[in-house]
Amino acid sequence: GAGVSQSPSNKVTEKGKDVELRCDPISGHTALYWYRQRLGQGLEFLIYFQGNSAPDKSGLPSDRFSAERTGESVSTLTIQRTQQEDSAVYLCASSYSGQGGRKLFFGSGTQLSVL
Amino acid sequence: DQQVKQNSPSLSVQEGRISILNCDYTNSMFDYFLWYKKYPAEGPTFLISISSIKDKNEDGRFTVFLNKSAKHLSLHIVPSQPGDSAVYFCAASAQTGGFKTIFGAGTRLFVKA
Repeated sequence: GAGVSQSPSNKVTEKGKDVELRCDPISGHTALYWYRQRLGQGLEFLIYFQGNSAPDKSGLPSDRFSAERTGESVSTLTIQRTQQEDSAVYLCASSYSGQGGRKLFFGSGTQLSVL
Repeated sequence: DQQVKQNSPSLSVQEGRISILNCDYTNSMFDYFLWYKKYPAEGPTFLISISSIKDKNEDGRFTVFLNKSAKHLSLHIVPSQPGDSAVYFCAASAQTGGFKTIFGAGTRLFVKA
């Protein structure tokens, strides 16, 4: 596709369940980000994949959160044992790496609701 | 530690007037700054950017000003239009930080017709 694709667009889950959120970046983009936006809040950095380098996981809020990326393509963000405070919009963005990758392209996000 | 700060949660301006959105940062290693615009239920989209070697960048109705000594940047929209009503995010990145992009909390702009 032409843009960053995220699925599902909406996810409702029960507290304590695990969820997986998927991101398909723009082809050729070697950098991939996950951000979280809670209601009324800003964009909170979660994790950053840059090419073959080790991912920057400094923004993951707890060990219940993890993310993987297959090569330079699809990424999956997994939240284990979901809590109500995990309810948010999860946004994925991709870009080229290095100096040419300053501009991020975002998907439409996954709205996660934990009941 | 918030490295990028947008202290005004919202701003309301009249159509045709100037909108000024402000952003402050704390990390002196940031060398590139961007503004993104976000409508409800959509992802943010890039609006305008500026390198730290410049102090001004203009694109149509949008101008970004950078004051490095004050670690402050601002986005000017003139004239403001109702379609500009959205949330605006300030963002910054540093080459030394592996180009990781950090965002501010956003400012919601209302442009009244």
